[in-house]
Amino acid sequence: GAVVSQHPSWVICKSGTSVKIECRSLDFQATTMFWYRQFPKQSLMLMATSNEGSKATYEQGVEKDKFLINHASLTLSTLTVTSAHPEDSSFYICSALPRRGQGSSGANVLTFGAGSRLTVL
Amino acid sequence: AQKITQTQPGMFVQEKEAVTLDCTYDTSDQSYGLFWYKQPSSGEMIFLIYQGSYDEQNATEGRYSLNFQKARKSANLVISASQLGDSAMYFCAMREGWSSGGSNYKLTFGKGTLLTVNP
Repeated sequence: GAVVSQHPSWVICKSGTSVKIECRSLDFQATTMFWYRQFPKQSLMLMATSNEGSKATYEQGVEKDKFLINHASLTLSTLTVTSAHPEDSSFYICSALPRRGQGSSGANVLTFGAGSRLTVL
Repeated sequence: AQKITQTQPGMFVQEKEAVTLDCTYDTSDQSYGLFWYKQPSSGEMIFLIYQGSYDEQNATEGRYSLNFQKARKSANLVISASQLGDSAMYFCAMREGWSSGGSNYKLTFGKGTLLTVNP
């Protein structure tokens, strides 16, 4: 089945530093990847849609300069939290949509990574 | 208005019994898809089951079935023969519209239901 790898699974950093999170589709190509944020005991909130070879589309209220997204290839998208602050501490989870013809379900089921827990001190 | 409503913050069920997790949705689109995901304490999101708005039959996947009542805009998840490993957060989600473009794919999630299976 489709597998999405997300790295690192957890990271602790100092306030003011930048942190990069990687999201890789291991056995399929993904023209579109999505980045979600989840606060403790809350739902997943879509942050941005990442399209291979073009700029990401950010949801309302998400600072594009703070959360830099790069979708450099059909199997890799990265999220960089720049100048991180304690309020950026959260669980970040990516998902990937298989390229047409590669998905196992007609519903175009999103495959999620295992998530990255960011703690900013 | 919330697009996905899960009214049960927490549910308890005895092992081997069935449990129903509620989900209602709000959309004006004719084409939409409804999904259920399971999130264990490890954090990963595991796809369970899908129902398309035009599907006439309720979806089933092993011990999971989706009780789809279109007129009531509800898509409840039924788990039969609960197992201890079913203890997790369960999220209902909806994709509105049905375009072929990936960039139009957006899942809206409910707040989730924490299911605890007791031995």
